[in-house]
Amino acid sequence: EAQVTQNPRYLITVTGKKLTVTCSQNMNHEYMSWYRQDPGLGLRQIYYSMNVEVTDKGDVPEGYKVSRKEKRNFPLILESPSPNQTSLYFCASSLRGRNTEAFFGQGTRLTVV
Amino acid sequence: AQSVAQPEDQVNVAEGNPLTVKCTYSVSGNPYLFWYVQYPNRGLQFLLKYITGDNLVKGSYGFEAEFNKSQTSFHLKKPSALVSDSALYFCAVRDNEYGNKLVFGAGTILRVKS
Repeated sequence: EAQVTQNPRYLITVTGKKLTVTCSQNMNHEYMSWYRQDPGLGLRQIYYSMNVEVTDKGDVPEGYKVSRKEKRNFPLILESPSPNQTSLYFCASSLRGRNTEAFFGQGTRLTVV
Repeated sequence: AQSVAQPEDQVNVAEGNPLTVKCTYSVSGNPYLFWYVQYPNRGLQFLLKYITGDNLVKGSYGFEAEFNKSQTSFHLKKPSALVSDSALYFCAVRDNEYGNKLVFGAGTILRVKS
């Protein structure tokens, strides 16, 4: 089954404790992205990757890191989480081209206390 | 810069009645428009997209959307709402400068009452 898999689904952590949210897709998509969803703001792009070893900042990259060492994986790293990073996070992947739809993971609800 | 507006935070409709969820967009160049649905505790699911061609686009679960270039709108519609359609709906547009990015509206909660 074609899918984007994120882990964990839920995470509660303390301020400053490094964490990684994993994302994997099995559709051989070139493009992968991370979004955060906040009430009233919709989804905003954090980082994206156009292919292996090619990543770039989205609209809200501060406090986040990513890497793309393999085509299928695109982890999101929070080196020193802060409470303002409490949010719902989604990983997405798509084929190359503006007319292609993105496939989203199930989401990771992160709480930073 | 590309942007999307969903003017209604919430839409309430009775089961069996037609529903409309509104979306307007601002984009430079040709618009590539999408609708996604989010059920509680689930990811976003793709419903339909407008790329080019017919202004009425048909998608999943009986939904359709009408593209109107002069009004820069892409409203989501369904002829007969179901209680199971209750969810959060997002309109999105592809950023024509950064082809990968989707720019989302704030979302509209649809509540269908029996």
